[in-house]
Amino acid sequence: SQKIEQNSEALNIQEGKTATLTCNYTNYSPAYLQWYRQDPGRGPVFLLLIRENEKEKRKERLKVTFDTTLKQSLFHITASQPADSATYLCALVKNAGNMLTFGGGTRLMVKP
Amino acid sequence: NAGVTQTPKFRILKIGQSMTLQCTQDMNHNYMYWYRQDPGMGLKLIYYSVGAGITDKGEVPNGYNVSRSTTEDFPLRLELAAPSQTSVYFCASSYPTRGQFSGRLDQPQHFGDGTRLSIL
Repeated sequence: SQKIEQNSEALNIQEGKTATLTCNYTNYSPAYLQWYRQDPGRGPVFLLLIRENEKEKRKERLKVTFDTTLKQSLFHITASQPADSATYLCALVKNAGNMLTFGGGTRLMVKP
Repeated sequence: NAGVTQTPKFRILKIGQSMTLQCTQDMNHNYMYWYRQDPGMGLKLIYYSVGAGITDKGEVPNGYNVSRSTTEDFPLRLELAAPSQTSVYFCASSYPTRGQFSGRLDQPQHFGDGTRLSIL
């Protein structure tokens, strides 16, 4: 069956360091992959999208990589800040219908 | 623009009661979605709609119904509430019907802030 896995354990890092979150998938050939941020009590907010033919995408302090051979995406936040503390969700889109399948999310805690 | 608005924000139901979760968007999006999110879990798709008058089942549709009579509104109905339906429900929309991004297939989804539903 199709599976999307994110590290369920919280990631604790020091302010200023680079946070790296992982999204692995199996039995999937996604057309593209999206990353969302979710704060407590709020809905997910879109951050970045990367297509299957793209290796890397950047937006300000955010960087996403997409390795279709390893079936993995990495999400990096450079120069992390306490305000980056949130849960980050990856979501895969298998076809053109924009139906998203979400991973369970990883909680990031950035300590000052 | 308000984006995606969900009401109510919180609700407690008794087993067997029914209710409708409201969702409205003001972004002229064709596609709308309902998800549920259980603690520590990802969002699971309940139902979706690609336009007014068209709805289809997602991954976990049992116990729910939807309708889409207008582009803006996509209510979710629980007919006989069960404890297993205790969850946080999110509505989302995507694919603008007009403008620069109309017709593109890789658009992000815009979420409301959820309805927290407890069934006791």
